[in-house]
Amino acid sequence: SQQGEEDPQALSIQEGENATMNCSYKTSINNLQWYRQNSGRGLVHLILIRSNEREKHSGRLRVTLDTSKKSSSLLITASRAADTASYFCATVGKGSQGNLIFGKGTKLSVKP
Amino acid sequence: NAGVTQTPKFQVLKTGQSMTLQCAQDMNHEYMSWYRQDPGMGLRLIHYSVGAGITDQGEVPNGYNVSRSTTEDFPLRLLSAAPSQTSVYFCASSQGLFVNEQFFGPGTRLTVL
Repeated sequence: SQQGEEDPQALSIQEGENATMNCSYKTSINNLQWYRQNSGRGLVHLILIRSNEREKHSGRLRVTLDTSKKSSSLLITASRAADTASYFCATVGKGSQGNLIFGKGTKLSVKP
Repeated sequence: NAGVTQTPKFQVLKTGQSMTLQCAQDMNHEYMSWYRQDPGMGLRLIHYSVGAGITDQGEVPNGYNVSRSTTEDFPLRLLSAAPSQTSVYFCASSQGLFVNEQFFGPGTRLTVL
């Protein structure tokens, strides 16, 4: 069963704008990861945030985690047309076997 | 390094046929997994392996078999293909479970008629 649910399902913005995607999950987690998938390609890991962390940065990416609300957000600043892709959150449940459980994704379109 | 490779890229089967999707990685990763991706469903785990000789079921294992005779290879077998198995299949690997990022192959697009 899906653990994470991304919101919105689709997002369309202009180049240079910021894009924010949200992920909500159901059970306690060990960590949460964000992946990007370009059309017709495999997934690429973007960032991992552990359950005891609140915020992480990587280049133009900023991820926050609120374990009390069971939610995370991914912010892409100064977006580019090349950021057009689907973005997925994935969680590793606390006490689980350690596998990733993926959400359904947010489809981001950045118009030049 | 080639990373994670998958063959074939595309495949069309008739109902009842069997086939094997190949997956290989050259990063000496212990953990390997197979997912299927259906429109609007995200990725769902089919089977996974934590090392050579060790496999286990994921969320949607029915109709699929796996084996792991070497660290590098993790083939996925469809025993008797059904239209419900039409999907895109991704293989992934990582150093281990829990806190490690997964590296994905390019996918195999399978159509079952």
